[in-house]
Amino acid sequence: EVQLVESGGGVVRPGGSLRLSCAASGFTFDDYGMSWVRQAPGKGLEWVSGINWNGGSTGYADSVKGRFTISRDNAKNSLYLQMNSLRAEDTALYHCARHPLRGAAEFDPWGQGTLVTVSS
Amino acid sequence: EIVMTQSPATLSVSPGERATLSCRASQSVSSNLAWYQQKPGQAPRLLIYGASTRATGIPARFSGSGSGTEFTLTISSLQSEDFAVYYCQQYNNWPRLTFGGGTKVEIK
Repeated sequence: EVQLVESGGGVVRPGGSLRLSCAASGFTFDDYGMSWVRQAPGKGLEWVSGINWNGGSTGYADSVKGRFTISRDNAKNSLYLQMNSLRAEDTALYHCARHPLRGAAEFDPWGQGTLVTVSS
Repeated sequence: EIVMTQSPATLSVSPGERATLSCRASQSVSSNLAWYQQKPGQAPRLLIYGASTRATGIPARFSGSGSGTEFTLTISSLQSEDFAVYYCQQYNNWPRLTFGGGTKVEIK
């Protein structure tokens, strides 16, 4: 069974940092691109960042560019999101999601998410 | 950035009826469009990709159509488990992947 399990969320003060992790299982992790998608409480979905199969290509939403860094460790079947200079508007449930083999397209499946709360 | 606009925001439908959800792109995304279903407390689930291809395990009552800037998700006969929020997403413009604001399908 394909599984994605996020961790690392929590409460952090504005300006602080947090590192999210996503543990993948049930598939050949280094065959697939991956992304982070967030959902603020009661709001819609927002793509945050994506990375290709070997980490050689990454992309970021304008709202997080220069503050967040996506990375992966294929030996550990893990995806990461380093979040710096956090703001109140970064408060959200952060999901990791897998792209299809053909490239950066739709997301399937999604993890259940890890909650990040930025508050003083 | 390609803006995705979904309508209506809320759709009230009786069980067994047909539901038609719309998604409009601010510029052409070809057929690079997906639809997701999200129930409360759950992660989104992929329903449709390539504008019209059902994902694995998705019932035939879900169908997608359209290309360019206008897209439709149709649920032919609503079941109780279909009441949820539905999102469209374009992937024509990497790395600017964008979602619509969602349509909530509620029981009439």
